[in-house]
Amino acid sequence: ETGVTQTPRHLVMGMTNKKSLKCEQHLGHNAMYWYKQSAKKPLELMFVYSLEERVENNSVPSRFSPECPNSSHLFLHLHTLQPEDSALYLCASSQGGTSDTQYFGPGTRLTVL
Amino acid sequence: GNSVTQMEGPVTLSEEAFLTINCTYTATGYPSLFWYVQYPGEGLQLLLKATKADDKGSNKGFEATYRKETTSFHLEKGSVQVSDSAVYFCALSTDSWGKLQFGAGTQVVVTP
Repeated sequence: ETGVTQTPRHLVMGMTNKKSLKCEQHLGHNAMYWYKQSAKKPLELMFVYSLEERVENNSVPSRFSPECPNSSHLFLHLHTLQPEDSALYLCASSQGGTSDTQYFGPGTRLTVL
Repeated sequence: GNSVTQMEGPVTLSEEAFLTINCTYTATGYPSLFWYVQYPGEGLQLLLKATKADDKGSNKGFEATYRKETTSFHLEKGSVQVSDSAVYFCALSTDSWGKLQFGAGTQVVVTP
């Protein structure tokens, strides 16, 4: 596979469930990002990892827990979510510089019941 | 803080019409500027970018010029096609981690 992949593409979960979103990049990049895209707000940056270290946590509630075990994989662990957390979650990767292009995955459409 | 403002949509055009999407920004330092496009059911992909004042980014017939004096990065295309129907996002980056600040997005609908 090439580029940035995300699984699952769709996820429906109850408020008491625990689930994880997975992102994998095949581009040899150093930085990976989680974004939230909801209908009512602009794209929101959630987390940034550079060389497997978290360098940004954009005031995200603790019910979202990221994990970056290596430079190719990024996870977003979800627990006790709220219906307002329903959104498209996008993963991206880049070399990490100011002018570098970010490459996005297709996203996971999350619905919290 | 940094911010990006772009015109609200949806913008509806006929095929072969001229498209302009306005984008202005507020930033400290010297940002890099980007236009990303999101086709239905897909993630975002880079359309074009410019990294310093007066640079012009171009791709697939789209163009945008980095105007420092007006803090703008307007997107233009001379003749749109139905396949250009998508949501277009203006964005900037100022830090070394490459974090992007996005505008709200503009939906463009091109009809035959």
